[in-house]
Amino acid sequence: DTEVTQTPKHLVMGMTNKKSLKCEQHMGHRAMYWYKQKAKKPPELMFVYSYEKLSINESVPSRFSPECPNSSLLNLHLHALQPEDSALYLCASSQDWTGNTEAFFGQGTRLTVV
Amino acid sequence: AQSVTQPDIHITVSEGASLELRCNYSYGATPYLFWYVQSPGQGLQLLLKYFSGDTLVQGIKGFEAEFKRSQSSFNLRKPSVHWSDAAEYFCAVGARGYQKVTFGTGTKLQVIP
Repeated sequence: DTEVTQTPKHLVMGMTNKKSLKCEQHMGHRAMYWYKQKAKKPPELMFVYSYEKLSINESVPSRFSPECPNSSLLNLHLHALQPEDSALYLCASSQDWTGNTEAFFGQGTRLTVV
Repeated sequence: AQSVTQPDIHITVSEGASLELRCNYSYGATPYLFWYVQSPGQGLQLLLKYFSGDTLVQGIKGFEAEFKRSQSSFNLRKPSVHWSDAAEYFCAVGARGYQKVTFGTGTKLQVIP
């Protein structure tokens, strides 16, 4: 199994809503990532979890809250988002954090904030 | 800090023609280099990677790339393009012990009949 599964595929939420994005992998990878991708732009790193601990937060606003309940799951909790947060949110995982292993990406969650 | 440049924003090729997508990186030590492909609204799929060793790297879907340290380049090539290759292509650079991978701005490939 070389898949990273993200749910939901599409999400529309209001600015006062609370929602969560989910990501799951069963490859035994110990590093997991959240990226944000706006249209016609490259992915931008948001968070990195290494061995279930947050190791990188790229100065992401607190309305985005990551969580790694176990080595296979990664969540991104969303609260009080702004319309400019609408984007494709990509989850990825890699074998470890050393940098010399490739990342496997999920299909993404298309988020629209209204 | 590492950086990567993809000079071509958009490339159009005829089906069956050869393809070369350019990628230039900036990094003081030996970089880890990747090419990813992304179809519209989809995630990224790894085409190939270079960590060390043979500088000509073979990937999936008939793609290859050559690492040229003297030119700080890692160009992606394919001898004969298929219509299904139309997508966005991202070059990325990483480094040993460094969790962040930096993506280039991407090259959109259009394939015409």
